[in-house]
Amino acid sequence: EADIYQTPRYLVIGTGKKITLECSQTMGHDKMYWYQQDPGMELHLIHYSYGVNSTEKGDLSSESTVSRIRTEHFPLTLESARPSHTSQYLCASRAYNEKLFFGSGTQLSVL
Amino acid sequence: AQSVTQLDSHVSVSEGTPVLLRCNYSSSYSPSLFWYVQHPNKGLQLLLKYTSAATLVKGINGFEAEFKKSETSFHLTKPSAHMSDAAEYFCVVSAPGPPSGGSYIPTFGRGTSLIVHP
Repeated sequence: EADIYQTPRYLVIGTGKKITLECSQTMGHDKMYWYQQDPGMELHLIHYSYGVNSTEKGDLSSESTVSRIRTEHFPLTLESARPSHTSQYLCASRAYNEKLFFGSGTQLSVL
Repeated sequence: AQSVTQLDSHVSVSEGTPVLLRCNYSSSYSPSLFWYVQHPNKGLQLLLKYTSAATLVKGINGFEAEFKKSETSFHLTKPSAHMSDAAEYFCVVSAPGPPSGGSYIPTFGRGTSLIVHP
């Protein structure tokens, strides 16, 4: 049973808006990740964190930022959303045995 | 550096026939390998993982995968497909970085869509 939660599940916003996608886990995992996934495509890593106050950019160039002030919380922020940001965003945390736990994702549409 | 190549974007089988989803990997260090499944409108679920123990790994729902170091492959198989197996399957590699610091950043393949015909 995954204990990792993402909100909102769906979001439709206008261009130029600032948005924050929430991700929380109750498993005490240090390592957390944000992936971007377009329909039928692979997951691209956009940000990751090894623990509190640790954040790194992933392979995919992204105009988003993340923060990790608490172990359980790893929000992703887009300062100014654009139509090119339309995608599904998946948050994951990694257990000590390397198993990844995924949230249900946020489907973002920018008009 | 590490990478994953899933050799087929789509695999189509009839119900009751064997399934083979192919995955090749590249890693500078001894990797851990995983298969995840993603059903439509559902989250990703771990099917199985290899972490340098037995080379034949058994997972959930009758799936298994064999690690072949000489071929750098980690193909996923199932003897008999079921309609409920229709989904997207992702091969994932995760390896430590240089000795100066570990990374274990999971890298995903492009995915293989498994289609099961009645």
